[in-house]
Amino acid sequence: DGGITQSPKYLFRKEGQNVTLSCEQNLNHDAMYWYRQDPGQGLRLIYYSQIVNDFQKGDIAEGYSVSREKKESFPLTVTSAQKNPTAFYLCASNSGNTEAFFGQGTRLTVV
Amino acid sequence: AQKITQTQPGMFVQEKEAVTLDCTYDTSDQSYGLFWYKQPSSGEMIFLIYQGSYDEQNATEGRYSLNFQKARKSANLVISASQLGDSAMYFCAMRPMDSSYKLIFGSGTRLLVRP
Repeated sequence: DGGITQSPKYLFRKEGQNVTLSCEQNLNHDAMYWYRQDPGQGLRLIYYSQIVNDFQKGDIAEGYSVSREKKESFPLTVTSAQKNPTAFYLCASNSGNTEAFFGQGTRLTVV
Repeated sequence: AQKITQTQPGMFVQEKEAVTLDCTYDTSDQSYGLFWYKQPSSGEMIFLIYQGSYDEQNATEGRYSLNFQKARKSANLVISASQLGDSAMYFCAMRPMDSSYKLIFGSGTRLLVRP
């Protein structure tokens, strides 16, 4: 089945650690996105990529980094510079002017 | 600035009744798209319905319809014949017609369907 796979579902980070969230899609979509969701709030855009080897900052990119080496993959690294990383992270993809398809999300907690 | 406003943090509806979830948007663009997504407690975002700014007719998808009033910049979601499985968070989103195809989300409305 085509879709978007995010892993892991739950992730725990110690203070000062970098962690990487995985996002893979087999929908052959050109564009991929990372959103952050805090409790009781909507989604905010972190980074997005429209083609391989190219990506742009969203509204809250500070403390995050991404790469797009393959069309299918768009991993997000939460760096130690992100001071409040505890949140729900959602990856999405689309192709042109279509609806975005979302993964199941990764819940990141700082311990 | 482009913005989506959902003024109802929470709503109740009796099973089998209809409910309207409000959404207003702010944009100076002439061309844009409006979306509604459902987020159950499991967290995934489920696409419900889409309305283009140039679409003259209101979008419908099964029990979902979008009441689009362009002059008022509103795009309310109407769910008919509510079911218990409709209990979830609902998000309105806008896509500006720039090259990014990114979505701007509202803060959401939590809907609870009572048996």
